[in-house]
Amino acid sequence: NAGVTQTPKFRILKIGQSMTLQCAQDMNHNYMYWYRQDPGMGLKLIYYSVGAGITDKGEVPNGYNVSRSTTEDFPLRLELAAPSQTSVYFCASSLLTSGGIYNEQFFGPGTRLTVL
Amino acid sequence: GENVEQHPSTLSVQEGDSAVIKCTYSDSASNYFPWYKQELGKRPQLIIDIRSNVGEKKDQRIAVTLNKTAKHFSLHITETQPEDSAVYFCAASYQKVTFGTGTKLQVIP
Repeated sequence: NAGVTQTPKFRILKIGQSMTLQCAQDMNHNYMYWYRQDPGMGLKLIYYSVGAGITDKGEVPNGYNVSRSTTEDFPLRLELAAPSQTSVYFCASSLLTSGGIYNEQFFGPGTRLTVL
Repeated sequence: GENVEQHPSTLSVQEGDSAVIKCTYSDSASNYFPWYKQELGKRPQLIIDIRSNVGEKKDQRIAVTLNKTAKHFSLHITETQPEDSAVYFCAASYQKVTFGTGTKLQVIP
């Protein structure tokens, strides 16, 4: 299993440009998440999904959009990039089993994004 | 919503000493408490977790304790080694996962 994969690894954007960060998992996990991590800081939840077709906002959703058309893929869209979106973006997935039993999150390798 | 506080933010210990990191949470419905280790430039990885029906769990040099009444849980690392140097995050899960702000652990050889 590849686990959680993310592309690209690095990207530089100009202010106002748009891009999509790709995330895929091959573990058949129902839950998927997008986090951003600013230098020296913790993980902030942007969006999450509990299954295909269902997404919900985290604590910092402004400036981002997501979709979940399949179990495997959870792309994050940045519209009109701003310098404040310079960060490392981590995608993660986990399996919530019946009865509401959480399990560990598996993280992708991250995408380092710089907006100039 | 859930609020997770983590202390200390930085911790320096001599090699061989023990390290303790503490977290508190606010939502009594949280039932899963993982700890992640993040080395510089790498992704977070699970090192140990505990569920709400267990009070303590140990895995070699790492242990976690949970006090549901007080709503706090702690990570204990014994016989610390230089490779334990990293940032450690606690988290509490119910309908969503909420992470603590992280503790930067430095083990001095």
